Amino acid sequence: QKEVEQNSGPLSVPEGAIASLNCTYSDRGSQSFFWYRQYSGKSPELIMFIYSNGDKEDGRFTAQLNKASQYVSLLIRDSQPSDSATYLCAVNTGFQKLVFGTGTRLLVSP
Amino acid sequence: SQTIHQWPATLVQPVGSPLSLECTVEGTSNPNLYWYRQAAGRGLQLLFYSVGIGQISSEVPQNLSASRPQDRQFILSSKKLLLSDSGFYLCAWTGGLQETQYFGPGTRLLVL
Repeated sequence: QKEVEQNSGPLSVPEGAIASLNCTYSDRGSQSFFWYRQYSGKSPELIMFIYSNGDKEDGRFTAQLNKASQYVSLLIRDSQPSDSATYLCAVNTGFQKLVFGTGTRLLVSP
Repeated sequence: SQTIHQWPATLVQPVGSPLSLECTVEGTSNPNLYWYRQAAGRGLQLLFYSVGIGQISSEVPQNLSASRPQDRQFILSSKKLLLSDSGFYLCAWTGGLQETQYFGPGTRLLVL
């Protein structure tokens, strides 16, 4: 069974710090990877996606992908209290289906 | 721009009662549509997906069913709800060859 693993947290960081969220996946053939943010009681919203090894930056967010290690991460620079949420990692398993991790809860303290 | 709607937003139903949740997408044609369930404190579980009218693939055997009567309409149903059916039901869509899934606002279902 194809799996996506995330530490459930909570990950606590002070305001202004860098938050590092990690995700590993089991299917070596996976080609595309997604990060979603989910506020309590709300639906997931896309932060960014990454297809190629290396880093992809979008504002305060950077996604990092290492296919050899089957590892994808999300860095949030200058963390804000409004970034406090659960972050879901998702991996495309083919046929346009995503497998989601259970998410990492991030708490940013003022 | 594309918009996805779900209703109702919340629902409280007794065990054994039927269920019908609706999802519609605006601003696109021939989307792939997905139903997920998120139990409290759990991850997203893919229930059904559809690549076209009348085409439904089931991911998890259970007492739920799905239908796609129109191109941009996706319905989740049950004839008799179980306590374990409680959760947050999310509809999502992708367009064409895109892989990115966009979620609707969700329906929170509580079965008592």
